[in-house]
Amino acid sequence: SQELEQSPQSLIVQEGKNLTINCTSSKTLYGLYWYKQKYGEGLIFLMMLQKGGEEKSHEKITAKLDEKKQQSSLHITASQPSHAGIYLCGADVLYNQGGKLIFGQGTELSVKP
Amino acid sequence: DVKVTQSSRYLVKRTGEKVFLECVQDMDHENMFWYRQDPGLGLRLIYFSYDVKMKEKGDIPEGYSVSREKKERFSLILESASTNQTSMYLCASSHKRGGAGYEQYFGPGTRLTVT
Repeated sequence: SQELEQSPQSLIVQEGKNLTINCTSSKTLYGLYWYKQKYGEGLIFLMMLQKGGEEKSHEKITAKLDEKKQQSSLHITASQPSHAGIYLCGADVLYNQGGKLIFGQGTELSVKP
Repeated sequence: DVKVTQSSRYLVKRTGEKVFLECVQDMDHENMFWYRQDPGLGLRLIYFSYDVKMKEKGDIPEGYSVSREKKERFSLILESASTNQTSMYLCASSHKRGGAGYEQYFGPGTRLTVT
C-alpha cells in the first residue's frame, strides 16, 4: 500500500463548484507540500504546511493540516477551468534526513465550463 | 523567481545508447533530485545529492548513474538505454536545512522515449 494516499484519484466538477482533495500519510508528517502539475509538465509548488492545525490559502485554494490524523486537505472554492490539472501531495516523513519527500499518486481534476 | 531548467523537453534515443539528462538550478540549493514519473506508479526517486560530488541512491537507481561536479548542475546518465526507461524524467532542487521544511522546486521535465 502507498505511504501517502490521495483521494479521489480523479474528479470532474462543474465550473463554480467547490471541491476537496485529501492526502493521508501512514507515517508521522514533518512537512506536507501541495503541488499542481499540468499534463506533460513539471510540478508547480503551491504551499507547505508544517504545524498541526495550520491553514494556508493562495487565491481560491486553501490547504489544511490535521497532524493527529496525519492528513491534509486541499479545498478549491468556486472552481475555474484554470484549476484543472493534477494535484500531488508530497510529505517529509523522515525528520532531518536531508529533504527526501514521498509523493502521493496524484488527483486529476477536470473542470467543466 | 526560482528556476530549474532541464536540457531537453523531448528526447528520442535508441536502445543501447548512452543518454545524458542535464539539470541546472539558479537558487543556490544544496539538494538536487532526479525522479521518473510513470502512469499508475507516480513519482519515484532515482538518485539525489546533498552536495557537490555527493550522491545517494533513491528507490530505483538500477540502470542509472548521476554526476554532480558543480553545485548548480545535476546530471542523470542512462549508461545503456532500454525501452523500460521510456518515461518522464523530473529534476528538483531544495535547500538543505536542519529539521523539516524542504519544499522542492521542479524543472519542466524531459519526456524520454527509447526505441
